[in-house]
Amino acid sequence: SQTIHQWPATLVQPVGSPLSLECTVEGTSNPNLYWYRQAAGRGLQLLFYSVGIGQISSEVPQNLSASRPQDRQFILSSKKLLLSDSGFYLCAWSVGGRGTEAFFGQGTRLTVV
Amino acid sequence: GENVEQHPSTLSVQEGDSAVIKCTYSDSASNYFPWYKQELGKGPQLIIDIRSNVGEKKDQRIAVTLNKTAKHFSLHITETQPEDSAVYFCAATGYSTLTFGKGTMLLVSP
Repeated sequence: SQTIHQWPATLVQPVGSPLSLECTVEGTSNPNLYWYRQAAGRGLQLLFYSVGIGQISSEVPQNLSASRPQDRQFILSSKKLLLSDSGFYLCAWSVGGRGTEAFFGQGTRLTVV
Repeated sequence: GENVEQHPSTLSVQEGDSAVIKCTYSDSASNYFPWYKQELGKGPQLIIDIRSNVGEKKDQRIAVTLNKTAKHFSLHITETQPEDSAVYFCAATGYSTLTFGKGTMLLVSP
């Protein structure tokens, strides 16, 4: 069966420090991969998605970047964190094509201080 | 692109009552509509979904209805229990990504 791993679960980082969040998926090949952010409200904001290795689409221009160095690995990064980067970050995957469900990881609670 | 509106933002019910959450979408080409439940501090979990060739789907206490003509779909929870308390999201497909509603916080009081 497929599983998704996301780490760390919680992270407290000072302003201006770098960030690296990692997500891996097991049990499937060539998944679509996504990074979402959930701020103080409840909405899910799509940050990046990837349909293949090295293929990254950015939905919202900001202080973050994403990379997909391997088929089932998706990394969210920042060179210098801002206070406004605080939030709950969620990785998700889906099979390719239209009309399929997405499966979420357990999330990373990031607090920038 | 797709736009999904979800109402209400907060819903409080007594245990045993029914709860209904409604969503509308804008892209008539969307054909897949999942519902997710998110408990505090966790990632959203898929609880039920419906495709555009079906008008209604039921799974025990949970049901979803879809009106393609009106472009709206709803989640129905019957005989609510305190463990149903969570945030619920509706979503609709685009070509590559799901578009989510802003969520409904459901509170079920004992």
